[in-house]
Amino acid sequence: SQTIHQWPATLVQPVGSPLSLECTVEGTSNPNLYWYRQAAGRGLQLLFYSVGIGQISSEVPQNLSASRPQDRQFILSSKKLLLSDSGFYLCAWTKTGAQETQYFGPGTRLLVL
Amino acid sequence: QKEVEQNSGPLSVPEGAIASLNCTYSDRGSQSFFWYRQYSGKSPELIMFIYSNGDKEDGRFTAQLNKASQYVSLLIRDSQPSDSATYLCAVKDGGFKTIFGAGTRLFVKA
Repeated sequence: SQTIHQWPATLVQPVGSPLSLECTVEGTSNPNLYWYRQAAGRGLQLLFYSVGIGQISSEVPQNLSASRPQDRQFILSSKKLLLSDSGFYLCAWTKTGAQETQYFGPGTRLLVL
Repeated sequence: QKEVEQNSGPLSVPEGAIASLNCTYSDRGSQSFFWYRQYSGKSPELIMFIYSNGDKEDGRFTAQLNKASQYVSLLIRDSQPSDSATYLCAVKDGGFKTIFGAGTRLFVKA
C-alpha cells in the first residue's frame, strides 16, 4: 500500500528565516505530487504540482519554490519567510491518470512569528 | 476560472438524522468528483468518489451526482457526533489538478 510522509509536523520560524519542508511517497512510482497551503479556517490553495522529476508547475507567484529531486520526493522551500506564510502545508499525491484520487499527507503546521 | 462552491455552514443536525451537504461546480468538462472529510487540525481524508450520474452508496454515505445541473451532494445517514468535521467537495476535469471547495462545517449534536 502507498504511504505519504511529511516532516516536520510542526514548525515555528522567525520572519526572514529560510524554510524547507519535505514530502515523500512510498509504495508507488511516478506519482503526481502537489503542495497545498491552508490558512486557518480557509480552503486549500494549490501552490505547486509536479508530474515528474525536475518538472514543477507554479500556481501562485510568491516567495515559495518547490523542487522534485527524486521520483517520490517533493520539497517546498523559501529563502525568506513572511508572516503571511503561516498555515497548514499539505503534500498530496495521485497516480497518473485522469480520474485518479488525490491522497494527502499528515501536513506541516507552520507558524511564522 | 474553474470554481467549486459550497455553503460554509455550520450545518447543525441532531444525532441520528440525515446530514445533506451540497456542492456546485462551474466546469462542464469535469469528470471526477470527490468528497473529503477534514477534522480540525488534521489533513483531508477521502470519503467517496463518483464518476457517473446518479447515486453511489458506501455504508452510511451516499454521493449523488447530477452533471446536467453541475451539482454533487453527500448524504450522511444516522449522523454521529464523530461525523462532526469539515467536508470538502473536489472536482477533476481530467487534467492534473483537483479543484477544492472551501468546505462545509458539519456539527452533529448528541
